Amino acid sequence: GAVVSQHPSWVICKSGTSVKIECRSLDFQATTMFWYRQFPKQSLMLMATSNEGSKATYEQGVEKDKFLINHASLTLSTLTVTSAHPEDSSFYICSAIRAGDVAGELFFGEGSRLTVL
Amino acid sequence: GENVEQHPSTLSVQEGDSAVIKCTYSDSASNYFPWYKQELGKRPQLIIDIRSNVGEKKDQRIAVTLNKTAKHFSLHITETQPEDSAVYFCAASIGEYGNKLVFGAGTILRVKS
Repeated sequence: GAVVSQHPSWVICKSGTSVKIECRSLDFQATTMFWYRQFPKQSLMLMATSNEGSKATYEQGVEKDKFLINHASLTLSTLTVTSAHPEDSSFYICSAIRAGDVAGELFFGEGSRLTVL
Repeated sequence: GENVEQHPSTLSVQEGDSAVIKCTYSDSASNYFPWYKQELGKRPQLIIDIRSNVGEKKDQRIAVTLNKTAKHFSLHITETQPEDSAVYFCAASIGEYGNKLVFGAGTILRVKS
């Protein structure tokens, strides 16, 4: 149990286009999901906290108009990279907390590799 | 805010030897400390975790120790195998509900056969 799936696993797009990444909890409800960004050979940097039915909370330095997050249901959060540029190329990983769990344990998606040409 | 430091950045060991990775954190309110293993291009996998009310936890070849007073925790892998080669991240919980994680910079572990 506790499977989190991301789609797409990789995407290549032209500069200036928008890209949407989906994060789904397949067998549990997730009241909270997190979006991380990981550059090559670096650590995971928390971008934002996505709460079902409310606005996302963004970490300092993350542009909310650039990275749109929607958490419309207890099993789906989406991250849209708007007007993508080459510097947005990265590995984006979502994670979810299972509703009712003791705070802490995260379940990660497979990650989505974005390449902006 | 929370700062998690992880050392070493790279670690090479001979197969069968032990490997130790250390992390320190700054926020005394942190109470959950997981360790993740990440292979290239894949998602982080939780390998072991510890909560602040426990000083040590062991799962087969993997153990984690926590010193809350000194604000440091360590990962110990015994009898290392080539398949243990990966990047390992420590993390510490933060936030109002303790459900956000701040990650260390990672340690590249290479097990030589």
